[in-house]
Amino acid sequence: GNSVTQMEGPVTLSEEAFLTINCTYTATGYPSLFWYVQYPGEGLQLLLKATKADDKGSNKGFEATYRKETTSFHLEKGSVQVSDSAVYFCALSHKLSFGAGTTVTVRA
Amino acid sequence: NAGVTQTPKFQVLKTGQSMTLQCAQDMNHEYMSWYRQDPGMGLRLIHYSVGAGITDQGEVPNGYNVSRSTTEDFPLRLLSAAPSQTSVYFCASGWINSPLHFGNGTRLTVT
Repeated sequence: GNSVTQMEGPVTLSEEAFLTINCTYTATGYPSLFWYVQYPGEGLQLLLKATKADDKGSNKGFEATYRKETTSFHLEKGSVQVSDSAVYFCALSHKLSFGAGTTVTVRA
Repeated sequence: NAGVTQTPKFQVLKTGQSMTLQCAQDMNHEYMSWYRQDPGMGLRLIHYSVGAGITDQGEVPNGYNVSRSTTEDFPLRLLSAAPSQTSVYFCASGWINSPLHFGNGTRLTVT
């Protein structure tokens, strides 16, 4: 079946550090891939998406590239800020399978 | 823009009580779904609907009922609440295979 495996957290970083959250998936066909972000006390918001192999999604300094050969969609940001503290979810279309979420805390 | 509206925001129930969590969207989305979020388990799909009159089970449907009589509304019913249903519940809507729009969640405690 379709599933998403996401790097476990929590992750704690200092401001301006580099962030990577790994995500791999299993799916039949050609799914779309998403990263969602959940700020404290809120619902999930779409952060970025990619709909086909080699697509790069980007938003707010975050990037992720759809790699069909490695079935991966890793999230990266070059210089994190305190405001990036949140829970990040990788997700797969086809009934929207979600990873378990990675809690990221950025310290000033 | 209202988007996806969930009510109530918080609810405390006693074991065995019933209640309905409301979800409404004003974007004419065909797809609506309910998730529960528990620590360390991410989001798990309870039920979903691909259009009015059509519903299907997700990963954890036991103890929950849904109906979709209109495009806008997708209520989630707990017939006899159990402590294991203590969780945060999210409703979401969207177009099939497109990103979802989420409500702000309902925090439910069953004692």
